[in-house]
Amino acid sequence: QSALTQPASVSGSPGQSIAISCTGTSSDVGGYNYVSWYQQHPGKAPKLMIYEVSNRPSGISNRFSGSKSGNTASLTISGLQAEDEADYYCSSYTSSSTLRMFGGGTKVTVL
Amino acid sequence: EVQLVESGGGLIQPGGSLRLSCAASGFSVSSNYMNWVRQAPGKGLEWVSVVYSGGSTYYADSVKGRFTISRDNSKNTLYLQMNSLRAEDTAVYYCARDTMVRGVVRYYYYGMDVWGQGTTVTVSS
Repeated sequence: QSALTQPASVSGSPGQSIAISCTGTSSDVGGYNYVSWYQQHPGKAPKLMIYEVSNRPSGISNRFSGSKSGNTASLTISGLQAEDEADYYCSSYTSSSTLRMFGGGTKVTVL
Repeated sequence: EVQLVESGGGLIQPGGSLRLSCAASGFSVSSNYMNWVRQAPGKGLEWVSVVYSGGSTYYADSVKGRFTISRDNSKNTLYLQMNSLRAEDTAVYYCARDTMVRGVVRYYYYGMDVWGQGTTVTVSS
C-alpha cells in the first residue's frame, strides 16, 4: 500500500498563501470525502487541522482551508505566519484492507 | 480533560516482543475507533492499526501477523502487542482517537482528533 503523494517541501514569505497537494487514487482520496490534514512541529504529536476534506475543528484558524478535486486534495494556508512552519500530513480512508493511509509529509518553511 | 498517555516503549533486541499501552481519560476507548500510528526517526507518519468500536481490527501490511491491537474496557486502555520485532519497527508510536459517526444517509468522519505524546521503541542488538 503506497503512501499518498505530497511535495517534500513548500515555502512562502509571511503573509503569503501556499498550497500543499495530496494525490491518491479513486480507492482513497478520490473515492471518499474522508481526507484529513495534520500539522506536526518538531518533537510534538500531530495535530488535526482539517477533516472531511474542508472542515476545521474548533480552535483551528480560518487561515487553514482544504479542498479536493478528483484524486487530489489540497491544504491552503493563507496569511502565512512563522508559527505555521511545520510538517504537514494528509490522510485518507481507503477501500483497501488497511482502511487508513498517510501522505509522505510536506515541510513548510516560512522564509 | 480528554487525554491519551502511551507507555511501554524501550530498547528491545530483534526478534523480541513488547507491549505498548495507551491510557485514555475523558472518553471511552470502547466507544471510539482507536489507532496506532508510528513515525520512524526522520520519517513521516505511518498508520499501523485500528480497532473499531465494534471490535473489528485492521493492520498495515508491514505489521500484519506480527502486531495485535486490543483494548481493556475496564481499564479504558488500548494496547499494541508487538512480536518478532525488526530494526525497521524502530519508531515513536502514537495512539490516536479516530471518530466516525453513522448518520442517516452516510458516515461522518471527524479525523484523528486526539493524540498521545508518543512512546519510543528502538529495536537493536
